[in-house]
Amino acid sequence: QVQLQESGPGLVKPSQTLSLTCTVSGGSISSGSYYWSWIRQPAGKGLEWIGRIYTSGSTNYNPSLKSRVTISVDTSKNQFSLKLSSVTAADTAVYYCARLEDFQYYFDYWGQGTLVTVSS
Amino acid sequence: QSALTQPASVSGSPGQSITISCTGTSSDVGGYNYVSWYQQHPGKAPKLMIYEVSNRPSGVSNRFSGSKSGNTASLTISGLQAEDEADYYCSSYTSSSPYVVFGGGTKLTVL
Repeated sequence: QVQLQESGPGLVKPSQTLSLTCTVSGGSISSGSYYWSWIRQPAGKGLEWIGRIYTSGSTNYNPSLKSRVTISVDTSKNQFSLKLSSVTAADTAVYYCARLEDFQYYFDYWGQGTLVTVSS
Repeated sequence: QSALTQPASVSGSPGQSITISCTGTSSDVGGYNYVSWYQQHPGKAPKLMIYEVSNRPSGVSNRFSGSKSGNTASLTISGLQAEDEADYYCSSYTSSSPYVVFGGGTKLTVL
């Protein structure tokens, strides 16, 4: 059973960079045809897809966040990471990591989510 | 504003059936059979309920079914149970970046 777990600071100051890591267990991040994704959800609001990475390093980002987002992968640690720069209060949200099936485009495994608050 | 349009809320009584719609365009819902549905209970991560329009993952009750007509996909829950009360989100592949879009979510209340 694949499991994903987000980790990182729960509080980030405005204008700084938000950094989160997702650790994958129960399977190799390099096996199969999957994209590894980040999704966020502000309190009381819907889901917003942030971006995805393939284990080859190929990435795609939501155009609304593209200038501030970097997603990377470390296959040796079975982890992938999110960096979001120049954060504001609008970036306060629960951040989820999830596995995106390559050809059918559905998210089959999700992390439990981690709340990141942007505040001074 | 979300790329896919869902009703903000639906409700039904135990035992009844309800349907949640998800309307997009020919560039997403209407153009591909890559529509998925997620159930989210308060404080929990979303859970995959339907993929590729109408397929259920192992372990998901057969009370949940999906369909699509034109640019609108639908999730039907039959034999409503109290535990079905949750938020439901649709998602679809889209031909241009960001490649994945979500609906705004629908709150299901079991009366």
